[in-house]
Amino acid sequence: ILNVEQSPQSLHVQEGDSTNFTCSFPSSNFYALHWYRWETAKSPEALFVMTLNGDEKKKGRISATLNTKEGYSYLYIKGSQPEDSATYLCAFHDYKLSFGAGTTVTVRA
Amino acid sequence: DSGVTQTPKHLITATGQRVTLRCSPRSGDLSVYWYQQSLDQGLQFLIQYYNGEERAKGNILERFSAQQFPDLHSELNLSSLELGDSALYFCASSVGGTSDEQYFGPGTRLTVT
Repeated sequence: ILNVEQSPQSLHVQEGDSTNFTCSFPSSNFYALHWYRWETAKSPEALFVMTLNGDEKKKGRISATLNTKEGYSYLYIKGSQPEDSATYLCAFHDYKLSFGAGTTVTVRA
Repeated sequence: DSGVTQTPKHLITATGQRVTLRCSPRSGDLSVYWYQQSLDQGLQFLIQYYNGEERAKGNILERFSAQQFPDLHSELNLSSLELGDSALYFCASSVGGTSDEQYFGPGTRLTVT
């Protein structure tokens, strides 16, 4: 079982503040890294698929970076809003997918 | 709505029984993935099919099997069910493989009593 770690496990952010969190993964046999947003009682929703070292992706106020050589990816949320409250999952894709346990973000109004 | 459909939404069955979960991918998607989410574990990848062929296998028990049909829908068969098989089973689909976004269905909640 591959070790995909996300930190912190949870965080609380004041509305309007920016935040970021980490996904660590093995640096060998890398195919892709996926980020998902998962709201309670819903299904995971794809945010980004990152394939190249140095990749940076952006969707609205959310962005992500990738470092495959050292095995980490950061997800950033700029100007957090209450609707950003969710669990953010990363998944390391070699020939199969291995998920981290997620970072649960709670945005306080 | 992701465009991925799963049936049934809920399933309650007894230990030792066999059930079949069904997934219809988004139109045009060739890959189907199956995942399991148990209470005490995170999201676990079970198996992937691409255009009818098994592409990758994860933590899938021997009691479980899956297939993808010519119309690209997929079925996950769970047999000799145990209490520990109670979980939420998700199906996801993507256009191709590794570098494509996956779209998740609403899931099937399986309860084994």
